[in-house]
Amino acid sequence: DGGITQSPKYLFRKEGQNVTLSCEQNLNHDAMYWYRQDPGQGLRLIYYSQIVNDFQKGDIAEGYSVSREKKESFPLTVTSAQKNPTAFYLCASRDRNTEAFFGQGTRLTVV
Amino acid sequence: EDKVVQSPLSLVVHEGDTVTLNCSYEVTNFRSLLWYKQEKKAPTFLFMLTSSGIEKKSGRLSSILDKKELFSILNITATQTGDSAVYLCAVAGTASKLTFGTGTRLQVTL
Repeated sequence: DGGITQSPKYLFRKEGQNVTLSCEQNLNHDAMYWYRQDPGQGLRLIYYSQIVNDFQKGDIAEGYSVSREKKESFPLTVTSAQKNPTAFYLCASRDRNTEAFFGQGTRLTVV
Repeated sequence: EDKVVQSPLSLVVHEGDTVTLNCSYEVTNFRSLLWYKQEKKAPTFLFMLTSSGIEKKSGRLSSILDKKELFSILNITATQTGDSAVYLCAVAGTASKLTFGTGTRLQVTL
């Protein structure tokens, strides 16, 4: 089945710890995205990548980092510099001039 | 900075009512506007609009884009309780950037 897989579904982070969220797609899409969603809010863009080995900051990139070494994969690292990381994280991919397809999300909680 | 503004932020209607959701935008190098419905986790795709004045329709939902005035509307007729969700508008701009609005939370009551 074609689609986007995010893992894990739930993640707990201790204060001062870095954690990495996985996003893999087998849709052969060039562009990939990471969004953060807080309760009752819309989606805010963290990072996006138009093509392999290239990515751009979105509106709330501080405290996050990404890599795009393979077309299929776009992992997001939440660093200790992100002071309020508790949120729901969504990964998406799309081709030029098509809709975006989403993964099922990762819920990150700081303990 | 690209900007997408949705209104109203939330809306409560009775089953059978018709609702209109609004989305206005300021985007560099507009490519397309997309509407999504989000009930629990992953948003589900509704419409993609690229040309002004051409209505897209799917059952009781329809949407239209005005590229001159930089806005789109999503209409839902004869609303049902299953339409209760957050409706998200997104705009694609330069270098594949995809910016979402804050969403409109719709609640349909019996």
